[in-house]
Amino acid sequence: DVKVTQSSRYLVKRTGEKVFLECVQDMDHENMFWYRQDPGLGLRLIYFSYDVKMKEKGDIPEGYSVSREKKERFSLILESASTNQTSMYLCASSLSGREWGKETQYFGPGTRLLVL
Amino acid sequence: KQEVTQIPAALSVPEGENLVLNCSFTDSAIYNLQWFRQDPGKGLTSLLLIQSSQREQTSGRLNASLDKSSGRSTLYIAASQPGDSATYLCAVQAGTYKYIFGTGTRLKVLA
Repeated sequence: DVKVTQSSRYLVKRTGEKVFLECVQDMDHENMFWYRQDPGLGLRLIYFSYDVKMKEKGDIPEGYSVSREKKERFSLILESASTNQTSMYLCASSLSGREWGKETQYFGPGTRLLVL
Repeated sequence: KQEVTQIPAALSVPEGENLVLNCSFTDSAIYNLQWFRQDPGKGLTSLLLIQSSQREQTSGRLNASLDKSSGRSTLYIAASQPGDSATYLCAVQAGTYKYIFGTGTRLKVLA
């Protein structure tokens, strides 16, 4: 079974702090994604990566950056946390994107971040 | 722009009832449609994936159908159980790395 783990289930941070969220997958997946989930808005893509050191902006990248130094690990960085970044953050991975339409995304358990 | 809608937002049913959850999307150019389950405070678990060339998929008590021409999918749950209580989300894959999610239907199955 694919396993996607996230470093923290709950985090409380202060406005202006730099925040690191870590995601690790154990199935050699090429693609990794960071989403945030807010009530009434659904899941929105922040960034994704299709290979080591490769990243692409999603729909809402402002205020975030990412790092993928190793294939299994994808980090989301909040450069200077703000209260409007309080949310549930979900990491996902998928195999390669080359099996058109056949690949599912596997999600981690989520990190609930509260910025005070 | 692709939009995915799920109605109703919440649903309560008595145990044992068969039920249907609905998902609609605005652009039929999709790679696949997936149904996920999300328990409170948890991540998403994939239930069924229907490729764009397929009409339905089944897993146990779950059956999902896809009608691309009308932009609709349904998730049928047979003989519902309290353990089925969760939020069900549908998502369409609209590009190699592009997934569009609905906001979900929160299901409560009453014992």
